[in-house]
Amino acid sequence: GAVVSQHPSRVICKSGTSVKIECRSLDFQATTMFWYRQFPKKSLMLMATSNEGSKATYEQGVEKDKFLINHASLTLSTLTVTSAHPEDSSFYICSAGQANYGYTFGSGTRLTVV
Amino acid sequence: AQSVTQPDIHITVSEGASLELRCNYSYGATPYLFWYVQSPGQGLQLLLKYFSGDTLVQGIKGFEAEFKRSQSSFNLRKPSVHWSDAAEYFCAVGAVNAGKSTFGDGTTLTVKP
Repeated sequence: GAVVSQHPSRVICKSGTSVKIECRSLDFQATTMFWYRQFPKKSLMLMATSNEGSKATYEQGVEKDKFLINHASLTLSTLTVTSAHPEDSSFYICSAGQANYGYTFGSGTRLTVV
Repeated sequence: AQSVTQPDIHITVSEGASLELRCNYSYGATPYLFWYVQSPGQGLQLLLKYFSGDTLVQGIKGFEAEFKRSQSSFNLRKPSVHWSDAAEYFCAVGAVNAGKSTFGDGTTLTVKP
């Protein structure tokens, strides 16, 4: 079955630094990847839609300059949290796939900014 | 705008008892509906999905859900709960194949021994 890998699974960084999170489709090509954010005890909030070779489309209220998304290949999308602050601490989850085949969620990345 | 409501924030059931988790949705077109389970600190696992056809769908781990268009509901059921079912459950509605989904706030399931 379709497998989506996220790396790292956990990361702790200092305030002001940048962190990159990778989302890889291991056994299929993902033309589209979605990035979600989940706050503690809360549901998932869609941050952006990433199509291979195109600029990401951000949801209202999501700062595109803070959350940089790159989808340079059919198997990899990256989310970079720039100048991270403690309020950026959260669980970030990607979803990858194609419209005709469905989408699979990654295992998530726990970001803690100290 | 699409939305999902999971009325129960927290449910506690005894092991072996039956379970029903409620989900109501609002969607302008034919909905694609999903149930996911999430263990603490983990990603989401798809339990089942409904696109069309038979309104009673079977999923993994013995779960099933019934789509009722007249009630805008997609409730999740399991006849006998196991302790390992304790987790967070999310209902979601979306467009084709769940690419871009709207999630409910989740229901936390606790299983008593």
